[in-house]
Amino acid sequence: QSVLTQPPSVSAAPGQKVTISCSGSSSNIGNHYVSWYQQVPGTAPKLLVYDNNDRPSGIPGRFSGSRSGTSATLGITGLQTGDEADYYCGTWDSSLSAVVFGGGTKLTVL
Amino acid sequence: QVQLVESGGGVVQPGRSLRLSCAASGFTFSSYGMHWVRQAPGKGLEWVAVISYDGSNKYYADSVKGRFTISRDNSKNTVYLQMNSLRAEDTAIYYCAKGGPDYWGQGTLVTVSS
Repeated sequence: QSVLTQPPSVSAAPGQKVTISCSGSSSNIGNHYVSWYQQVPGTAPKLLVYDNNDRPSGIPGRFSGSRSGTSATLGITGLQTGDEADYYCGTWDSSLSAVVFGGGTKLTVL
Repeated sequence: QVQLVESGGGVVQPGRSLRLSCAASGFTFSSYGMHWVRQAPGKGLEWVAVISYDGSNKYYADSVKGRFTISRDNSKNTVYLQMNSLRAEDTAIYYCAKGGPDYWGQGTLVTVSS
């Protein structure tokens, strides 16, 4: 059971928009920056969003992050078949003194 | 560009030890904390440990506390994970990751099996 809660799967058609939620508590998301990662099966995770809503260089603007209270959301617009992957949220948990991840969300682009 | 290359994985019997290494390049290694994160077959990401930029602070997941030790050698740009008393449930791909974490290595597979 992960400390951060994500939906197991989401799906949408090419060109559409999808959001992935990440729910936590005051000891993690509520007081610490959230990052989002994309993992294509068989490859290492790749940082998509850091500090709740900033993108590393090279990450397209189709990917966006937000945080409200103890929840965070990853948004992906203009879906492409290449976006099919597993997506994870992560942050620091000050009660556990540990990095915590969500259980991951599998995105299917129909 | 940032490069993280893990090594040291393999097949090991339960109860035995293994040491993983992660060689870093392309950034000022001594300025960043470093993590180990693992992923069991078909499962999600599980954070294992982090070490501060100078090695003075270390934190561990409860699942490995007392069995695993993270360390670093800033003169060699390398971070290590000493894994003792290995169990079947430690079987996973082990990734090292820089900073946030932001950049990740490609991982090394550890299989604990008799």
